[in-house]
Amino acid sequence: SQKIEQNSEALNIQEGKTATLTCNYTNYSPAYLQWYRQDPGRGPVFLLLIRENEKEKRKERLKVTFDTTLKQSLFHITASQPADSATYLCALDMSSGYALNFGKGTSLLVTP
Amino acid sequence: NAGVTQTPKFRILKIGQSMTLQCTQDMNHNYMYWYRQDPGMGLKLIYYSVGAGITDKGEVPNGYNVSRSTTEDFPLRLELAAPSQTSVYFCASSYGRRTDEQYFGPGTRLTVT
Repeated sequence: SQKIEQNSEALNIQEGKTATLTCNYTNYSPAYLQWYRQDPGRGPVFLLLIRENEKEKRKERLKVTFDTTLKQSLFHITASQPADSATYLCALDMSSGYALNFGKGTSLLVTP
Repeated sequence: NAGVTQTPKFRILKIGQSMTLQCTQDMNHNYMYWYRQDPGMGLKLIYYSVGAGITDKGEVPNGYNVSRSTTEDFPLRLELAAPSQTSVYFCASSYGRRTDEQYFGPGTRLTVT
């Protein structure tokens, strides 16, 4: 079955640095991958989508890469700010094509 | 637009009781989903719907039922609540499949004791 792995340990970085979060997957070749942000007590919010034929996608301070050979996506936040502190979830399309399979998420804490 | 709304926000149930979690979206989305999220765990898909009158099971459907009589509403029914159903439940919707982002509601925190 599909397996998605995100760093279970929280990532602590200093304000202004670049945060890099990892999403690895096995037993599947997704056509696309999405990244969401989730704040405590709230529902996830969509950030970026990248397709299998795209190596990189950018949106403001966010950058996502998708390496189908390594079966890995990297999510970067440049010039990080305390307001970026949240849990970040990666999601892959399920083999049925109708829904998403979410990772457990990585907690990011940006300190001043 | 209100987006995706869920009621109630919180609920405590006794074992064996039943309840319906309400979910409404005003974006005219075809696809709707129910997830549960346990502490430290990812979102698990319970049921989904690709349009009014069409529903299908997700990864963890046991103990739940759904219906989709309108495009806007997608209620989740819990029958004979069990402690294992203690979780946070999220409803989501999307316009289409695969490449479309999902819009999530604020969640319902359910405790079964």
